[in-house]
Amino acid sequence: SQTIHQWPATLVQPVGSPLSLECTVEGTSNPNLYWYRQAAGRGLQLLFYSVGIGQISSEVPQNLSASRPQDRQFILSSKKLLLSDSGFYLCAWREGHSQETQYFGPGTRLLVL
Amino acid sequence: GEDVEQSLFLSVREGDSSVINCTYTDSSSTYLYWYKQEPGAGLQLLTYIFSNMDMKQDQRLTVLLNKKDKHLSLRIADTQTGDSAIYFCAENNAGNMLTFGGGTRLMVKP
Repeated sequence: SQTIHQWPATLVQPVGSPLSLECTVEGTSNPNLYWYRQAAGRGLQLLFYSVGIGQISSEVPQNLSASRPQDRQFILSSKKLLLSDSGFYLCAWREGHSQETQYFGPGTRLLVL
Repeated sequence: GEDVEQSLFLSVREGDSSVINCTYTDSSSTYLYWYKQEPGAGLQLLTYIFSNMDMKQDQRLTVLLNKKDKHLSLRIADTQTGDSAIYFCAENNAGNMLTFGGGTRLMVKP
């Protein structure tokens, strides 16, 4: 069966520091991968998605970047965090080339102080 | 454009039925989804419905789809305190992306 992992689960970082959040998927190959941000327990904002290694699409301009160095690994990064980067970051995967469901990871809660 | 809207809040008593409503605008949506998010957790897929269906039932959950009015609802029968969570509807658009509603917070009172 497929599983999706995110780490760390919680992160407290000072303003201006770098960020690296990791998401990995097991039990599938060539998935579509997604990064979302959820602010204040409300709606989800799609940040990035990837249909393959090295292929990243950005949905909103921001202080963040994403990379996909391996088929089942998706990384969210920042060189310098802003206070407004605080939130709950969710990674999701879906079978490639299909309209099937997106499945979500457990999320990373980021607090920028 | 794409827009998915939900009411912010719903409060019910334990044992009653809950109905969470959602409206969407993209008529090309092929799948519509309901996700549940418990405090501090990721989103859990509850159920989904294909756009050529009117209704889908899965144990205590009933999804109704009115494609003409672009209206989706989730009915939870015999609501329990464990059903307290935020519920998100989402539509799958032509670009194979999901557009989420803002979520409905369901509070179940004992």
